[in-house]
Amino acid sequence: AIQVTQSPSSLSAFVGDRVTITCRASQGISSALAWYQQKPGKAPKVLIYDASSLKSGVPSRFSGSGSGTEFTLTISSLQPEDFATYYCQQFDSYPITFGQGTRLEIK
Amino acid sequence: QVQLQQSGPGLVKPSQTLSLTCAISGDSVSSSSAVWNWIRQSPSRGLEWLGRTYYRSKWYNDYAVSVKSRIAINPDTSKNQFSLQLNSVTPEDTAVYYCARSGSGIIVYYSYMDVWGKGTTVTVSS
Repeated sequence: AIQVTQSPSSLSAFVGDRVTITCRASQGISSALAWYQQKPGKAPKVLIYDASSLKSGVPSRFSGSGSGTEFTLTISSLQPEDFATYYCQQFDSYPITFGQGTRLEIK
Repeated sequence: QVQLQQSGPGLVKPSQTLSLTCAISGDSVSSSSAVWNWIRQSPSRGLEWLGRTYYRSKWYNDYAVSVKSRIAINPDTSKNQFSLQLNSVTPEDTAVYYCARSGSGIIVYYSYMDVWGKGTTVTVSS
């Protein structure tokens, strides 16, 4: 199975900060990567798919980049509602796998 | 707007069968552009994809190796829903279980989940 490893596992930041989260795949997955946001007690919500495509309705401060084995999620200016846990997911091949999550906290 | 409504017991005894249902509104379980998945989340295992079902002229399933010997995901076209059955559960199966939709064309690949149910917390305990 393809392993996806996120870093950092947790992050503290101020409202207004620019934040970057990294996801590394254990082998090349082209652009078959999605990013999700999850708030406590809620299901994950997709933000980015195909590595860099912004899901309709998601604020433009979220962006994704990368291909192959290294990917990033960037939030350009953190808003209070962005404090949550973020996950990447590869869908290049069986089985679908998720990163372990990055918890983003208010500083 | 597609919505997924989950139902099923929150407590299952060890060695018994975990059964959950996901009712679909705004789409069809027989859709030729959708795939219907089950995913679980626990502190020890994180987010874990369990398997999926989809219809492309006939019904298909595939399952994660970790549960392949004891899982079944079945569609119910009369009720527009799909179900998860996980046999011989142990405390390791304690998790929040989600149903989710992913998209795909006639040729089905893997994809991201664009619609999720709200989740069902299942505890395996005597």
